[in-house]
Amino acid sequence: GESVGLHLPTLSVQEGDNSIINCAYSNSASDYFIWYKQESGKGPQFIIDIRSNMDKRQGQRVTVLLNKTVKHLSLQIAATQPGDSAVYFCAEKYYGGAQKLVFGQGTRLTINP
Amino acid sequence: NAGVTQTPKFRILKIGQSMTLQCTQDMNHNYMYWYRQDPGMGLKLIYYSVGAGITDKGEVPNGYNVSRSTTEDFPLRLELAAPSQTSVYFCASSYPPGQGGTEAFFGQGTRLTVV
Repeated sequence: GESVGLHLPTLSVQEGDNSIINCAYSNSASDYFIWYKQESGKGPQFIIDIRSNMDKRQGQRVTVLLNKTVKHLSLQIAATQPGDSAVYFCAEKYYGGAQKLVFGQGTRLTINP
Repeated sequence: NAGVTQTPKFRILKIGQSMTLQCTQDMNHNYMYWYRQDPGMGLKLIYYSVGAGITDKGEVPNGYNVSRSTTEDFPLRLELAAPSQTSVYFCASSYPPGQGGTEAFFGQGTRLTVV
Protein backbone atom coordinates (compact mmCIF):
# COMPACT_ATOMS: atom_id res chain seq x y z
CA GLY A 1 0.00 0.00 0.00
CA GLU A 2 0.95 3.63 0.02
CA SER A 3 3.00 5.01 2.85
CA VAL A 4 5.16 8.00 3.47
CA GLY A 5 7.23 7.73 6.64
CA LEU A 6 9.66 9.90 8.53
CA HIS A 7 12.91 8.83 10.16
CA LEU A 8 12.74 11.12 13.18
CA PRO A 9 9.68 12.31 15.06
CA THR A 10 11.51 15.25 16.73
CA LEU A 11 14.43 17.47 15.79
CA SER A 12 16.02 20.16 17.93
CA VAL A 13 18.45 22.69 16.43
CA GLN A 14 20.17 25.89 17.46
CA GLU A 15 18.92 29.13 16.03
CA GLY A 16 21.01 30.02 13.02
CA ASP A 17 22.01 26.44 12.25
CA ASN A 18 20.78 24.52 9.25
CA SER A 19 18.01 21.93 9.72
CA ILE A 20 17.59 18.74 7.75
CA ILE A 21 14.31 16.86 7.93
CA ASN A 22 14.16 13.44 6.31
CA CYS A 23 11.38 11.37 4.81
CA ALA A 24 11.13 7.89 3.30
CA TYR A 25 8.47 7.01 0.79
CA SER A 26 7.33 3.77 -0.76
CA ASN A 27 5.29 4.70 -3.84
CA SER A 28 7.72 5.09 -6.71
CA ALA A 29 4.82 6.06 -9.01
CA SER A 30 4.26 9.41 -7.29
CA ASP A 31 4.49 12.45 -9.57
CA TYR A 32 5.28 15.04 -6.95
CA PHE A 33 6.71 15.16 -3.46
CA ILE A 34 5.66 18.03 -1.27
CA TRP A 35 6.64 19.52 2.07
CA TYR A 36 4.10 21.14 4.38
CA LYS A 37 4.60 23.10 7.58
CA GLN A 38 2.02 22.97 10.35
CA GLU A 39 2.12 25.44 13.20
CA SER A 40 0.27 24.72 16.41
CA GLY A 41 -3.49 25.01 16.01
CA LYS A 42 -3.34 25.69 12.29
CA GLY A 43 -3.80 23.79 9.08
CA PRO A 44 -0.78 22.64 7.04
CA GLN A 45 0.84 25.21 4.81
CA PHE A 46 2.64 24.45 1.56
CA ILE A 47 6.40 25.02 1.57
CA ILE A 48 7.86 23.54 -1.58
CA ASP A 49 7.37 20.68 -3.99
CA ILE A 50 9.58 18.69 -6.31
CA ARG A 51 8.62 16.79 -9.38
CA SER A 52 9.61 13.15 -9.51
CA ASN A 53 11.96 13.71 -12.48
CA MET A 54 14.06 16.20 -10.51
CA ASP A 55 16.59 15.60 -7.74
CA LYS A 56 16.90 19.07 -6.25
CA ARG A 57 14.82 22.18 -5.95
CA GLN A 58 15.55 25.38 -4.08
CA GLY A 59 13.25 27.97 -2.60
CA GLN A 60 13.72 30.80 -0.19
CA ARG A 61 15.94 29.35 2.60
CA VAL A 62 14.70 25.85 1.78
CA THR A 63 16.04 23.10 -0.44
CA VAL A 64 14.38 19.80 -1.18
CA LEU A 65 16.43 16.81 -2.29
CA LEU A 66 14.96 13.70 -3.86
CA ASN A 67 16.83 10.41 -4.09
CA LYS A 68 14.68 8.01 -6.04
CA THR A 69 17.23 5.20 -5.79
CA VAL A 70 16.65 4.84 -2.06
CA LYS A 71 13.19 6.49 -2.04
CA HIS A 72 14.31 9.28 0.23
CA LEU A 73 13.26 12.92 0.46
CA SER A 74 14.78 15.66 2.58
CA LEU A 75 14.01 19.26 3.44
CA GLN A 76 16.90 21.53 4.31
CA ILE A 77 16.18 24.81 6.07
CA ALA A 78 19.05 27.30 6.09
CA ALA A 79 19.76 29.59 9.04
CA THR A 80 16.88 28.25 11.11
CA GLN A 81 14.79 30.92 12.82
CA PRO A 82 12.35 30.74 15.76
CA GLY A 83 9.48 31.06 13.31
CA ASP A 84 10.52 27.76 11.75
CA SER A 85 9.32 25.88 14.85
CA ALA A 86 6.53 23.63 13.63
CA VAL A 87 5.69 20.11 12.54
CA TYR A 88 6.88 19.33 9.03
CA PHE A 89 5.13 16.77 6.87
CA CYS A 90 6.24 15.25 3.65
CA ALA A 91 3.53 14.21 1.24
CA GLU A 92 3.33 12.57 -2.13
CA LYS A 93 0.90 13.04 -4.93
CA TYR A 94 0.31 11.19 -8.16
CA TYR A 95 -1.97 12.22 -10.95
CA GLY A 96 -2.73 8.85 -12.41
CA GLY A 97 -5.64 7.02 -10.85
CA ALA A 98 -7.02 8.34 -7.61
CA GLN A 99 -5.25 11.73 -7.45
CA LYS A 100 -4.64 11.33 -3.74
CA LEU A 101 -2.32 13.38 -1.55
CA VAL A 102 -0.74 11.08 1.06
CA PHE A 103 0.94 12.43 4.19
CA GLY A 104 3.64 11.05 6.46
CA GLN A 105 3.69 11.12 10.27
CA GLY A 106 5.55 14.42 10.68
CA THR A 107 8.69 15.77 12.36
CA ARG A 108 8.49 18.37 15.10
CA LEU A 109 11.21 20.96 14.68
CA THR A 110 12.21 22.88 17.81
CA ILE A 111 14.55 25.86 17.70
CA ASN A 112 16.84 26.50 20.66
CA PRO A 113 17.87 30.12 21.26
CA ASN B 1 -10.21 36.28 -0.33
CA ALA B 2 -11.11 33.93 2.55
CA GLY B 3 -9.53 30.75 1.14
CA VAL B 4 -10.86 27.58 2.78
CA THR B 5 -13.32 28.10 5.62
CA GLN B 6 -14.38 25.36 8.02
CA THR B 7 -17.16 25.47 10.59
CA PRO B 8 -17.45 24.81 13.44
CA LYS B 9 -13.98 25.16 14.98
CA PHE B 10 -14.82 22.98 17.96
CA ARG B 11 -17.57 20.48 18.72
CA ILE B 12 -18.37 17.89 21.35
CA LEU B 13 -20.70 15.09 20.33
CA LYS B 14 -22.26 12.28 22.27
CA ILE B 15 -21.89 8.72 21.00
CA GLY B 16 -24.51 8.04 18.35
CA GLN B 17 -25.19 11.67 17.49
CA SER B 18 -24.75 12.99 13.98
CA MET B 19 -23.34 16.21 12.61
CA THR B 20 -22.10 17.90 9.46
CA LEU B 21 -18.74 19.60 9.20
CA GLN B 22 -18.95 22.45 6.75
CA CYS B 23 -16.25 23.42 4.28
CA THR B 24 -16.35 26.13 1.66
CA GLN B 25 -13.69 27.63 -0.61
CA ASP B 26 -13.74 30.75 -2.73
CA MET B 27 -10.80 29.99 -5.02
CA ASN B 28 -12.84 28.12 -7.64
CA HIS B 29 -10.79 24.98 -7.04
CA ASN B 30 -12.06 21.78 -8.58
CA TYR B 31 -10.37 19.47 -6.10
CA MET B 32 -11.43 19.27 -2.47
CA TYR B 33 -10.37 16.92 0.32
CA TRP B 34 -11.25 15.91 3.85
CA TYR B 35 -8.52 14.70 6.20
CA ARG B 36 -8.45 13.69 9.81
CA GLN B 37 -5.44 14.17 12.04
CA ASP B 38 -5.09 12.16 15.23
CA PRO B 39 -2.68 13.39 17.95
CA GLY B 40 0.96 13.08 16.94
CA MET B 41 0.04 11.64 13.59
CA GLY B 42 -0.08 12.67 9.99
CA LEU B 43 -3.19 13.40 7.97
CA LYS B 44 -5.35 10.57 6.73
CA LEU B 45 -7.54 11.14 3.69
CA ILE B 46 -11.23 10.47 4.33
CA TYR B 47 -12.90 11.52 1.07
CA TYR B 48 -12.06 13.70 -1.87
CA SER B 49 -13.78 15.27 -4.84
CA VAL B 50 -12.45 16.26 -8.26
CA GLY B 51 -15.45 18.41 -9.10
CA ALA B 52 -19.10 19.10 -8.43
CA GLY B 53 -21.12 15.89 -8.40
CA ILE B 54 -18.03 13.65 -8.10
CA THR B 55 -16.74 12.17 -4.84
CA ASP B 56 -14.50 9.23 -3.98
CA LYS B 57 -13.24 7.39 -0.92
CA GLY B 58 -9.84 8.00 0.58
CA GLU B 59 -7.90 5.89 3.07
CA VAL B 60 -10.36 6.00 6.01
CA PRO B 61 -13.92 6.59 4.70
CA ASN B 62 -15.86 4.34 7.09
CA GLY B 63 -18.31 6.25 9.28
CA TYR B 64 -18.38 9.32 7.02
CA ASN B 65 -20.28 10.59 4.01
CA VAL B 66 -19.77 13.54 1.70
CA SER B 67 -21.55 15.41 -1.05
CA ARG B 68 -20.40 17.96 -3.60
CA SER B 69 -23.37 19.79 -5.07
CA THR B 70 -21.40 22.96 -5.86
CA THR B 71 -17.78 23.80 -6.62
CA GLU B 72 -17.53 25.85 -3.42
CA ASP B 73 -18.92 23.48 -0.79
CA PHE B 74 -17.83 20.04 0.41
CA PRO B 75 -19.60 19.05 3.65
CA LEU B 76 -18.56 15.99 5.66
CA ARG B 77 -21.29 14.05 7.46
CA LEU B 78 -20.89 11.86 10.52
CA GLU B 79 -24.03 9.76 10.96
CA LEU B 80 -23.39 7.80 14.18
CA ALA B 81 -20.53 9.38 16.08
CA ALA B 82 -18.09 7.03 17.79
CA PRO B 83 -15.17 7.78 20.16
CA SER B 84 -12.78 6.62 17.43
CA GLN B 85 -13.86 9.66 15.41
CA THR B 86 -12.39 12.04 17.97
CA SER B 87 -9.86 13.94 15.91
CA VAL B 88 -9.05 17.20 14.17
CA TYR B 89 -10.62 17.42 10.74
CA PHE B 90 -9.11 19.44 7.93
CA CYS B 91 -10.66 20.42 4.65
CA ALA B 92 -8.41 21.37 1.73
CA SER B 93 -8.73 22.40 -1.90
CA SER B 94 -6.45 22.57 -4.91
CA TYR B 95 -6.34 23.08 -8.64
CA PRO B 96 -6.50 20.10 -10.99
CA PRO B 97 -3.24 18.72 -12.43
CA GLY B 98 -1.50 21.16 -14.71
CA GLN B 99 -3.33 24.20 -13.38
CA GLY B 100 -1.70 26.17 -10.58
CA GLY B 101 0.74 23.61 -9.20
CA THR B 102 0.47 20.98 -6.48
CA GLU B 103 -0.31 23.24 -3.54
CA ALA B 104 -3.32 22.28 -1.44
CA PHE B 105 -4.86 25.05 0.67
CA PHE B 106 -6.08 23.97 4.09
CA GLY B 107 -8.71 25.30 6.41
CA GLN B 108 -8.06 25.94 10.09
CA GLY B 109 -9.55 22.64 11.17
CA THR B 110 -12.48 21.39 13.25
CA ARG B 111 -11.62 19.79 16.58
CA LEU B 112 -14.20 17.08 17.27
CA THR B 113 -14.54 15.17 20.53
CA VAL B 114 -16.95 12.24 20.84
CA VAL B 115 -17.87 11.27 24.41
